[in-house]
Amino acid sequence: AQKITQTQPGMFVQEKEAVTLDCTYDTSDQSYGLFWYKQPSSGEMIFLIYQGSYDEQNATEGRYSLNFQKARKSANLVISASQLGDSAMYFCAMRELPYSGGYQKVTFGTGTKLQVIP
Amino acid sequence: GAVVSQHPSRVICKSGTSVKIECRSLDFQATTMFWYRQFPKKSLMLMATSNEGSKATYEQGVEKDKFLINHASLTLSTLTVTSAHPEDSSFYICSARVFGEETQYFGPGTRLLVL
Repeated sequence: AQKITQTQPGMFVQEKEAVTLDCTYDTSDQSYGLFWYKQPSSGEMIFLIYQGSYDEQNATEGRYSLNFQKARKSANLVISASQLGDSAMYFCAMRELPYSGGYQKVTFGTGTKLQVIP
Repeated sequence: GAVVSQHPSRVICKSGTSVKIECRSLDFQATTMFWYRQFPKKSLMLMATSNEGSKATYEQGVEKDKFLINHASLTLSTLTVTSAHPEDSSFYICSARVFGEETQYFGPGTRLLVL
């Protein structure tokens, strides 16, 4: 089963509008972390936002906010006031508890391609 | 934020040659670095986890002898693709974790094309 599911392969949004990118996850661990990364056409992965499973408040970073609904196992990314530079691939990812060796393994979703329309 | 560099950014090589890719954490010490592979329009696939001073931990299905990983210092990990073949052509990207933090910071990636 997919651990991270992003059901929207592509999204369009009008410049200055808000957009929500969906992400659901599957884990039996009580402690985990959720990430969103942005990948422009240049290929680099840019960290956007992080949400810990025990964080009571939704994470926010500037125009990015994470709508964390633990019971539904969803971690949607909300981008407010979209800009042309927001056009990119967006990946949702999850870190589960280290199970051996003390390292973190992060699983990525398949990504959503966001295109901002002027 | 933490900065990770990769070198080279792109490389073209002949089939049968070996290619070394470097991943450096520029402004922090990374006890753990990760190597990913990404096919066009696909997600990132974790290849291996590299811990400073110890052997890398490879994911299932990744050939250890094919993809040699060395993490000799707290700021440098290298991935060597040995006897490269056209099917090894891909985008390779590394990341590093700051000790005590949750986030992995990624390098800019290396595009490998094997002819």
